[in-house]
Amino acid sequence: QVHLVQSGAEVKKPGASVKVSCKASGYTFTIYEINWVRQAAGQGLEWMGWMNPHSGSTVYAQSFQGRVAMTRNTSLSTAYLELTSLRSEDTAIYYCAKRHDSTFYTFHPWGQGTLVTVSS
Amino acid sequence: EIVLTQSPATLSLSPGERATFSCRASQNILFYLAWYQQKPGQAPRLLIYDASNRETGVPARFSGSGSGTDFTLTISSLEPEDFALYYCQHRTNGPPRVTFGQGTRLDIK
Repeated sequence: QVHLVQSGAEVKKPGASVKVSCKASGYTFTIYEINWVRQAAGQGLEWMGWMNPHSGSTVYAQSFQGRVAMTRNTSLSTAYLELTSLRSEDTAIYYCAKRHDSTFYTFHPWGQGTLVTVSS
Repeated sequence: EIVLTQSPATLSLSPGERATFSCRASQNILFYLAWYQQKPGQAPRLLIYDASNRETGVPARFSGSGSGTDFTLTISSLEPEDFALYYCQHRTNGPPRVTFGQGTRLDIK
């Protein structure tokens, strides 16, 4: 069974960086892209970007360009999201999600989410 | 950039009733549309992909339809566990650009 398990909650000060991990199991990690999506409290879903675990290539949403890095460790079947220069507006739940087996554009399954709180 | 507009923002219905959610795309996206359900404190769950294909394990009371710019998610007879948030989603072909609708909240009347 496919699972994505994310790292625990983080509290960071403004200006700091955060790195969230997403460990995959139950499938060949390098075959399916990993996407990152965030959700602020009471708000909708915001796509942050996409990583190809085989090549390491990435595409980032324009609103995060220059502040985000998506990386992976294939030997650990783990993807990482790093967000720098944190501000209060970055307080949100961050989700990783695997590309669906059969379609190029849907996400299934999702990790359980990681709450990142940015506060002085 | 493709914009997805969901309506209504909130739907208030009773168990056993039929629920209909709308998602309108700002340009033709063929059938490349997915629907997700999100319950409080949980990650989104894929319900429908390619506008009308039910994901494995999703109950048959959920169905999707539409193509081009207008899409619909229907729950034929609401169960208590169906009261949640629903999002539509699209991704462009080629270099990925992903868009979510703003969501529709399904409340118990």
